[in-house]
Amino acid sequence: DAKTTQPPSMDCAEGRAANLPCNHSTISGNEYVYWYRQIHSQGPQYIIHGLKNNETNEMASLIITEDRKSSTLILPHATLRDTAVYYCIVRVGNSGAGSYQLTFGKGTKLSVIP
Amino acid sequence: DGGITQSPKYLFRKEGQNVTLSCEQNLNHDAMYWYRQDPGQGLRLIYYSQIVNDFQKGDIAEGYSVSREKKESFPLTVTSAQKNPTAFYLCASRGVPGNTIYFGEGSWLTVV
Repeated sequence: DAKTTQPPSMDCAEGRAANLPCNHSTISGNEYVYWYRQIHSQGPQYIIHGLKNNETNEMASLIITEDRKSSTLILPHATLRDTAVYYCIVRVGNSGAGSYQLTFGKGTKLSVIP
Repeated sequence: DGGITQSPKYLFRKEGQNVTLSCEQNLNHDAMYWYRQDPGQGLRLIYYSQIVNDFQKGDIAEGYSVSREKKESFPLTVTSAQKNPTAFYLCASRGVPGNTIYFGEGSWLTVV
C-alpha cells in the first residue's frame, strides 16, 4: 500500500469547516483513499473513501486532486465531538488476493475549539 | 444493531498468564483482523483471517494465537510468550461494498 503524509495536528473553530490534507504521491491506479478517525480509547471509525471522483456522505466530503497525489477531507461544520485523530490511508479496494490490511500512520490530531 | 463486539473492554493479566480477547461480528463479513495499537502510535497487524478455518500472520504475530472456527468469531489469545503485551487491541472486519474495514471498540490489556 502507498505511504501517506499528514500534518501532525490542526485546530479548527467550532462551526467552521475543517480541511484535513493528505499527500499520497506514490498512489497507484487501483488504490483507493480511505479516511478514518479515532477518538481516544475507541476503535477507528470509517468516514469515507474514494478512487478519483470527489465523494460526499453524511459525515464529510472527500476531494481528490486530478493527479490523485493528494486529497482533502472536509468536515463542513466542525463540532467539539469531531475532535479526534484523523487517518488517511491508501489501499487496494478490490477483492483480489492479499492481506487487505490497513497501514495506519500517526494521522492528524484535529482539535475543535469552542 | 449490526457491528463488531469486543470483550472485555479492560483486562488485567499477570505475567506468565495467557488471556483471550473476544471478537464477534454480525455483519456477515468473511475477513477479520486483529491489530495492536500502542500509545501515540499507528495500528500494527497481528493476525488476519479471510475465511473460516484459515488465518495468516501479520507483522507482529509472535506471542499471539488465533482461531476462526465460526464466521462470526475471531478470538485472540495473548500468550505468555508475548514480551510486551500491554496495549490497546482492535478487532476489525471487512465487508462490501468497497472492501471497507470496520473496527470494534477495542480492548485494553494491562500486564500487572
